[in-house]
Amino acid sequence: SQTIHQWPATLVQPVGSPLSLECTVEGTSNPNLYWYRQAAGRGLQLLFYSVGIGQISSEVPQNLSASRPQDRQFILSSKKLLLSDSGFYLCAWVGGTPPASSGANVLTFGAGSRLTVL
Amino acid sequence: DQQVKQNSPSLSVQEGRISILNCDYTNSMFDYFLWYKKYPAEGPTFLISISSIKDKNEDGRFTVFLNKSAKHLSLHIVPSQPGDSAVYFCAAKSSGTYKYIFGTGTRLKVLA
Repeated sequence: SQTIHQWPATLVQPVGSPLSLECTVEGTSNPNLYWYRQAAGRGLQLLFYSVGIGQISSEVPQNLSASRPQDRQFILSSKKLLLSDSGFYLCAWVGGTPPASSGANVLTFGAGSRLTVL
Repeated sequence: DQQVKQNSPSLSVQEGRISILNCDYTNSMFDYFLWYKKYPAEGPTFLISISSIKDKNEDGRFTVFLNKSAKHLSLHIVPSQPGDSAVYFCAAKSSGTYKYIFGTGTRLKVLA
């Protein structure tokens, strides 16, 4: 079966510091990978998605970036955090070979990473 | 531009009764819809989905209805249980893209 891991689970960072959140998927190959953010009291905002190694699509212009150095690894980064970057960051995957048991088009999420920027 | 809307931020229902959560969308190219349940500080978990070629899909206590002409879908939970208390998100995807667009969520509280 497939699993998705995110770390760290919680992070408290000062304004202006760098950020690196990592996500890995096990048990499948060539999945589509996603980063979402849930800000306080808001919905799930799509930040980035990737359909292959080195292929990144950005949905929201901001000081965050994403990279996919390996097939099942997705990294969210920032060089200098802003207060507005605080939120709950979620990695997700879909597709792949084999796909998730819930369905080939069902997005499966990780447990999330809580980022607080002070 | 919010393509997927959940206009009710919260809903309270008595245990054993029906919970109805609503979702509206604006993009007529959406052809696959999903519902997720989310507890605080956890990732969303998948509940049920529906393709645009159907108007109803049922899985146990959960039923999703799709009205394409109205661009509206709803999630029915029968009977509601206290453990159903969570935030529910609807999401939509169009066949020509890889993007899953989520609504803002509805917080369901099932009262014992």
